[in-house]
Amino acid sequence: GDSVTQMEGPVTLSEEAFLTINCTYTATGYPSLFWYVQYPGEGLQLLLKATKADDKGSNKGFEATYRKETTSFHLEKGSVQVSDSAVYFCALSDRNTGGFKTIFGAGTRLFVKA
Amino acid sequence: NAGVTQTPKFQVLKTGQSMTLQCAQDMNHNSMYWYRQDPGMGLRLIYYSASEGTTDKGEVPNGYNVSRLNKREFSLRLESAAPSQTSVYFCASSSRVGSAKTFSNQPQHFGDGTRLSIL
Repeated sequence: GDSVTQMEGPVTLSEEAFLTINCTYTATGYPSLFWYVQYPGEGLQLLLKATKADDKGSNKGFEATYRKETTSFHLEKGSVQVSDSAVYFCALSDRNTGGFKTIFGAGTRLFVKA
Repeated sequence: NAGVTQTPKFQVLKTGQSMTLQCAQDMNHNSMYWYRQDPGMGLRLIYYSASEGTTDKGEVPNGYNVSRLNKREFSLRLESAAPSQTSVYFCASSSRVGSAKTFSNQPQHFGDGTRLSIL
């Protein structure tokens, strides 16, 4: 079945450091890929998405490129801020299941120190 | 715009007690979901409702029931709570437009969660 694997955390960085959070997936169909972010005490919110191979999703300085050949969707940001401290979830939604069953990774907690 | 509203935010139950978690969305979304979030396991789908009048099991439905009361509301019921159901529960909704291909592109919108402890 479909699955998402993302790097284990926590990841601790200093402010203005470069961020990469790795995400790889397996899917039998043609998935759309998402990154969600969860701040303390809140629900998940969409950060960015990509719906087909080679698409790049971007938002708030974060980027991720849909790489079908490596089945990856790594999240990057050039210069992190303290306010980026949160848990990040990679996810896929497969049109072969009607898009109803989004599969989430386990989440990666990011701490950014001032 | 409230988005997705969950009640209660916190609840403590004793084993064997029952309760209903409430969820309402004001975005006119067709589809609604219930997830549980446990440490190191991401989110796991309990039940979903593709549209008003339909409900289907997700990955971990045992011990739960759901009701899609109307387009706005989707409740989750624990009939006889067990300690293994201690978790954070999230309700979500999404727009269902067009074909399965376009629908799968739609993100989900989440409530702030209900933290449930069962002693």
